[in-house]
Amino acid sequence: DAGVTQSPTHLIKTRGQHVTLRCSPISGHKSVSWYQQVLGQGPQFIFQYYEKEERGRGNFPDRFSARQFPNYSSELNVNALLLGDSALYLCASSWAAGGDSPLHFGNGTRLTVT
Amino acid sequence: DAKTTQPTSMDCAEGRAANLPCNHSTISGNEYVYWYRQIHSQGPQYIIHGLKNNETNEMASLIITEDRKSSTLILPHATLRDTAVYYCIVLGVGGSNYKLTFGKGTLLTVNP
Repeated sequence: DAGVTQSPTHLIKTRGQHVTLRCSPISGHKSVSWYQQVLGQGPQFIFQYYEKEERGRGNFPDRFSARQFPNYSSELNVNALLLGDSALYLCASSWAAGGDSPLHFGNGTRLTVT
Repeated sequence: DAKTTQPTSMDCAEGRAANLPCNHSTISGNEYVYWYRQIHSQGPQYIIHGLKNNETNEMASLIITEDRKSSTLILPHATLRDTAVYYCIVLGVGGSNYKLTFGKGTLLTVNP
């Protein structure tokens, strides 16, 4: 079975630009979450979506937004990129939104902002 | 979610069992203990989780103390490919916000 897939795998952008990252969850999973991992640190929670509704948001500015589509895939959008947005962006899916439903992560999109 | 404490690093000989401890003294009755690992440049990999009882799957075993204030992840026969950062995370049940709070984890190095 296919795991969580993310695209693109690598991306280079310039400060001030906009970026869209994409995620396809494991088949049957209805919840998608996004995490940011800066080099040397653990992943930090950005968003969770379940059944196309936002269920949670981490401590990130409004430049970050996301959405989930009817097929449960998801996009993460970041506007007005800053150098500090350079990170590994991870998508994770789970079949439900509760504590007994493990998150399964993709291998991320490596974003470099120059 | 309750905070967890893990050793910064551990070493293990290849073929031996790796026992990774985690303290979570403020855990609540409805909070699960989750273990993930992350190999360099890859996404975190789910290993195992449990609530009260010990759990075992094809990857590892999870031993939770009776008072639930600590747990141990056991990799029964460590291989070089098990070298990774291991994260112990406590996660609540239900609610509208389901997020994993990653700490610094334990860097496990498996030596030949």
